[in-house]
Amino acid sequence: EAGVAQSPRYKIIEKRQSVAFWCNPISGHATLYWYQQILGQGPKLLIQFQNNGVVDDSQLPKDRFSAERLKGVDSTLKIQPAKLEDSAVYLCASSLERAGGPLTQYFGPGTRLLVL
Amino acid sequence: AQRVTQPEKLLSVFKGAPVELKCNYSYSGSPELFWYVQYSRQRLQLLLRHISRESIKGFTADLNKGETSFHLKKPFAQEEDSAMYYCALLTGGGNKLTFGTGTQLKVEL
Repeated sequence: EAGVAQSPRYKIIEKRQSVAFWCNPISGHATLYWYQQILGQGPKLLIQFQNNGVVDDSQLPKDRFSAERLKGVDSTLKIQPAKLEDSAVYLCASSLERAGGPLTQYFGPGTRLLVL
Repeated sequence: AQRVTQPEKLLSVFKGAPVELKCNYSYSGSPELFWYVQYSRQRLQLLLRHISRESIKGFTADLNKGETSFHLKKPFAQEEDSAMYYCALLTGGGNKLTFGTGTQLKVEL
């Protein structure tokens, strides 16, 4: 089966500019996650969608980050305006709908963002 | 709050030597733990989960609730085991993962 797709793979912007990332999950996966991975750290969950509804966005900096999954399939994550500390790899993952047990999350290749 | 600690940033072993990657967690609920692996130029992927009690690629991990640990072990390291390993803790009812900072395993010939 096709894996999680993300684009772009790399992005370089200047601080205060805006940027958007796109993710297409594995077909049939109801749950979609966006993670931020800063160099030297593990992935940190930013937001989790179940279909087109938000399950958890407690760690999303809502003053500058936004995300949507309007049709319950693909998703976009936006940063506006970007700061230097937003430089990181942004990972998208998806899983089947949770049904009583932990479900494997499948990760995309990530988008590497550099803010200058 | 939940936390996952991987004390070693880098672990270097010789081929054929035993490997142990350490993971400790802090969580007030009933823990569900995972090991994820990222090989060079590949995606992050699930290696194993504690509830399955399985051995994947020769790796095993046992949950020790008394010591709040979930160390990853392999008796004989292979060159292809060289990768970044992340321990992760599942919390809440929404399949939320909290990751450790990762350990880079380097297997030398």
